[in-house]
Amino acid sequence: AQTVTQSQPEMSVQEAETVTLSCTYDTSENNYYLFWYKQPPSRQMILVIRQEAYKQQNATENRFSVNFQKAAKSFSLKISDSQLGDTAMYFCAFMNHPGGAGNKLTFGGGTRVLVKP
Amino acid sequence: KAGVTQTPRYLIKTRGQQVTLSCSPISGHRSVSWYQQTPGQGLQFLFEYFSETQRNKGNFPGRFSGRQFSNSRSEMNVSTLELGDSALYLCASSFRGEDNTEAFFGQGTRLTVV
Repeated sequence: AQTVTQSQPEMSVQEAETVTLSCTYDTSENNYYLFWYKQPPSRQMILVIRQEAYKQQNATENRFSVNFQKAAKSFSLKISDSQLGDTAMYFCAFMNHPGGAGNKLTFGGGTRVLVKP
Repeated sequence: KAGVTQTPRYLIKTRGQQVTLSCSPISGHRSVSWYQQTPGQGLQFLFEYFSETQRNKGNFPGRFSGRQFSNSRSEMNVSTLELGDSALYLCASSFRGEDNTEAFFGQGTRLTVV
């Protein structure tokens, strides 16, 4: 079974600064996907960024980028130029390749990010 | 395109009762997954349905069941409710193609068992 670990329960950052969230995972699979989801107070889960394990290039999405280290099973999220709207819970999630176990997401425990003005 | 719609948004039930939650996926999406979110256990996978068939099941007791209809809408049922079933129940829909894995979430149903 896959496990996802987020070791930082809470982080705070000043507006316009950069914050990095850590995520490690455990799997014996070689082909899989990794995600970062954002859950603001409204509780709506929003996909921030996605990484395919077979791609060596780190994914980027505007101010969000990841550092994917497959051998170390590490998948960190960097938020640059933090904005007040980035305040939310952030979840790291793992999914096997759809051809295998379907669309099951395994989530980490979450990191609460507070952006201070 | 309309997003994932979950109804009801809030629900209060008494121990021992049963409850049915509904999820309407994005048009064209055939995969619907359900998750339970609690402060203690975090986000846990309940089950996934694809084309009216349960494809995956999480580690939950048999009191938790679901089904999917031909229009891809899904329902989740919890029987003999316990206090510990109080949670936010999230539904996610996806296209479930080989290269399309994005799961779109609904706003959830907040279930309180008293």
